Amino acid sequence: TQLLEQSPQFLSIQEGENLTVYCNSSSVFSSLQWYRQEPGEGPVLLVTVVTGGEVKKLKRLTFQFGDARKDSSLHITAAQTGDTGLYLCAGDSYKSNTGKLIFGQGTTLQVKP
Amino acid sequence: GAVVSQHPSWVICKSGTSVKIECRSLDFQATTMFWYRQFPKQSLMLMATSNEGSKATYEQGVEKDKFLINHASLTLSTLTVTSAHPEDSSFYICSARDYREVNTEAFFGQGTRLTVV
Repeated sequence: TQLLEQSPQFLSIQEGENLTVYCNSSSVFSSLQWYRQEPGEGPVLLVTVVTGGEVKKLKRLTFQFGDARKDSSLHITAAQTGDTGLYLCAGDSYKSNTGKLIFGQGTTLQVKP
Repeated sequence: GAVVSQHPSWVICKSGTSVKIECRSLDFQATTMFWYRQFPKQSLMLMATSNEGSKATYEQGVEKDKFLINHASLTLSTLTVTSAHPEDSSFYICSARDYREVNTEAFFGQGTRLTVV
């Protein structure tokens, strides 16, 4: 069974602080997607990383895909209260031909003013 | 990004009745749709994968007779919770993908909050 270990699962920080969320696996993924979800709503896609070593930036968010495509990180600089939410990583497995994504456990981020 | 519309956003039903949830891809053809269940502050739990025109594939532990999934067209999948009970109360989310090419993105509906009383 392929797993994506996401950490930390809960994070409470002050506005202006930096943070990093990690997703790790022993398996190789063809791509990895990051989502943000607010309470009572569906996840919204933030970014997809495909190439090993790839770095993508979305304003204050920086996403990195590991060289071996087994891990990824999300770094938020100078967090704002609007960043509060559940962050999910999800990987596309080479072994699967169903299109089924493998999800991490999620990181609940609370940014306090 | 692409738009996936899920309806209804919330529903309250009596125990023993059935509830149908619709998931539509509005601006792309979804060869594959997924149905998830989510508990508060937890990640998504995949219930089943459905491909257009074929039977859904259910994850282990999910009762296929209780959670009926139909994917009759490339833009519509439905989940029917049959003979609902209070323990079926949850947040249900669908996602849609055009999986004719690898590494395509999956887009999610807004979710449906089901409360069984």
